[in-house]
Amino acid sequence: EVQLVQSGTEVKKPGESLKISCQGSGYNFDNYWIGWVRQMPGKGLEWMGMIYPGDSHTKYSPSFQGQVTISADKSISTAYLQWTSLKASDTAMYYCARHFGGSYFSYFYIDVWGKGTTVTVSS
Amino acid sequence: DIVMTQSPDSLAVSLGERATINCKSSQSVLYSLNNKNHLAWYQQKPGQPPKLLISWASTRESGVPDRFSGSGSGTDFTLTINSLQAEDVAVYYCHQYYNTPRTFGQGTKLEIK
Repeated sequence: EVQLVQSGTEVKKPGESLKISCQGSGYNFDNYWIGWVRQMPGKGLEWMGMIYPGDSHTKYSPSFQGQVTISADKSISTAYLQWTSLKASDTAMYYCARHFGGSYFSYFYIDVWGKGTTVTVSS
Repeated sequence: DIVMTQSPDSLAVSLGERATINCKSSQSVLYSLNNKNHLAWYQQKPGQPPKLLISWASTRESGVPDRFSGSGSGTDFTLTINSLQAEDVAVYYCHQYYNTPRTFGQGTKLEIK
C-alpha cells in the first residue's frame, strides 16, 4: 500500500525555525515528485512546490519561493518542508502529496496525500 | 499562474438529487501532445486530507462510486454527483496540473438540503 506518513503537530513561536517531514512507503520513492500543499484554517488548498527525490530538483510556487525550503533524503524515503523564521501567518495544515507519474518528466495530478501536519505559530 | 474559479461557492442539495459543481480555468488545460485535459477533482471531508475522485477531467479513480462523474474540456469543467448521499457532504476542489505552479479552485462546499 502506498503511504505518506507525516511528522506530528508542531507549536512554535514567531522567529523560530522548523522542519517537518513526510516519509513515503510502498512505492519507489525516488521516481515520484513529492509536493507540499498548505491549507490555512478554514481556507482552501495552496500548492507550495515539489521535489524529485531522485536528484532533488525542485519547483516552487512564486508565492512560496524564498519563504520555505523543500528537500529530500532518498536514502530514507523522506521529504522535508523547512522554515528558517516562522511567522504567525504560517499557521496552517501542511500536506505532503505524491504526484502521479513515475519519472522526472511525468508529474501529473496528486494521487496520494499524507494525513497532514498541523503547524501553529503563536507568541 | 492559471486561475481556477469554481461555482457556486456552496450549494445545498436534497438527498437523492443531483449536485453540479463548475470549474473554469483562466487558460486552456488541454495539452496538445496527449490531447488530455490536465484537470482533477478532489473531495475533502472535515478533518481529512483531500481524496482524488477524478483525473484527466473525466476518469474516475478506482473505488469512487459511479454517481461521481466529470466532464468538460479546455477551460470549462463540471463535477456531477448523481443521487446525492449523506456521505457526499464535503468540500470539492478542482485542480489543474497543466503547468506549474499547480493551482486549485477555491472550493465548493456541498451540504444536504
